[in-house]
Parts: sequence; C-alpha cells; structure tokens
Amino acid sequence: GAGVSQSPSNKVTEKGKDVELRCDPISGHTALYWYRQSLGQGLEFLIYFQGNSAPDKSGLPSDRFSAERTGGSVSTLTIQRTQQEDSAVYLCASSSFQNTGELFFGEGSRLTVL
Amino acid sequence: GDSVTQMEGPVTLSEEAFLTINCTYTATGYPSLFWYVQYPGEGLQLLLKATKADDKGSNKGFEATYRKETTSFHLEKGSVQVSDSAVYFCALSSGTYKYIFGTGTRLKVLA
Repeated sequence: GAGVSQSPSNKVTEKGKDVELRCDPISGHTALYWYRQSLGQGLEFLIYFQGNSAPDKSGLPSDRFSAERTGGSVSTLTIQRTQQEDSAVYLCASSSFQNTGELFFGEGSRLTVL
Repeated sequence: GDSVTQMEGPVTLSEEAFLTINCTYTATGYPSLFWYVQYPGEGLQLLLKATKADDKGSNKGFEATYRKETTSFHLEKGSVQVSDSAVYFCALSSGTYKYIFGTGTRLKVLA
C-alpha cells in the first residue's frame, strides 16, 4: 500500500500475556519510529530505527518492551508480560533518509490490557 | 532537554470563528517546527512546517509563524469549518532524527 500500515488495529489482552504489534512502513523509507499515545498524553517516543539498526532505544519503558526490524522494512514491537499501564495506542511512523521533516504515521494499534 | 508546550483543550468553536492554538518550545540550537493533525479514525499527518526563524508555514487555510524571540509557533485559521474538527499536535525537531511532540489540542467545530 501507499501508506504506513499497522496491525492489529485493536488488541485486547489479559494481564501477563505477550503481544506483538506490527508496522509496515512506506516502501523505501529507511527511518522508522515507534511512539506511544496514552489518554491525555502526548506522543511518547519509544524507539528509532535507521535501516535495521536501532541507534536509540532510550524511550522503551522497561525490559518488557523490545522491537526489531528486518530487511529494512517491517518492524515488530513486542510487549512481554503485559500490564494494565501498557494500555495505549502504539503509533508507527516512517520517514525517508533524505529527511524532509515529515513523518508519515500509521493509524495505530490500540492495546487494551485487562 | 527539548520540549513543546501547547494549550490544553478541548477548544470548541462555532463555524467561521477564528482559531488560535498556542505552542511554545524549548530547544538548543535552531529546531524545525511542525503542526500535525489527527482527524477522527486516521493517523497523524503533517499540516505545516517552518524550518527557520520568521518562516511562515501554511496549508488548508492554517498558518503558523516561527517566532524565535518568543519561542512560539502558534497555529491560526481565520474561519474554521466543521471538517477542521481534529486533534492538533505541535512538534519540533532539532536537526537530528528526534521529534518532540506536544500533548495535542482537541478542536471541535460546531455547525
């Protein structure tokens, strides 16, 4: 597709379960970002990829969170042993290497932990 | 560290009213400034940007001027429409990969 695609769009899980969120960026975009959007909060930076490398993982809230990117394309954000405070919308964005300053966002994955 | 502060919402206006959403920033150096908009059920999309002091970004009738002296980038529109109802995010980038976003301001325009 032409835009950033995220799946699932909605995920309800029980506390303690693991979840995987997927992001398919715009073809050719080398930069990929994960953000978290909680109710009443701004966008919280989680991790940045340039190609398959993650030079900045500083925003990951705990070691329960991890992310990988393969083939310079699809990325997966994994949350292990989910907690209720992990409930949020997880946003993925991509950008071309020749950074025009524009991030292209997916519609997000809404995670609800019961 | 760098930060963005924008006015809290929600902002409720009648159609054709004048809109201002305030945004101020703290940054080292000379950041680029952005407004992103999130329409209901959609992802964030770039509305406008400005890359240096005194630049004016504009799009879809919205404008914002990069004011270095007041570290501000207020969003304005002369006559809002119902279709402008959305959440608006101010953001900055200090020339690296990192983007800092404000908390968002929800705008509701009534017919």
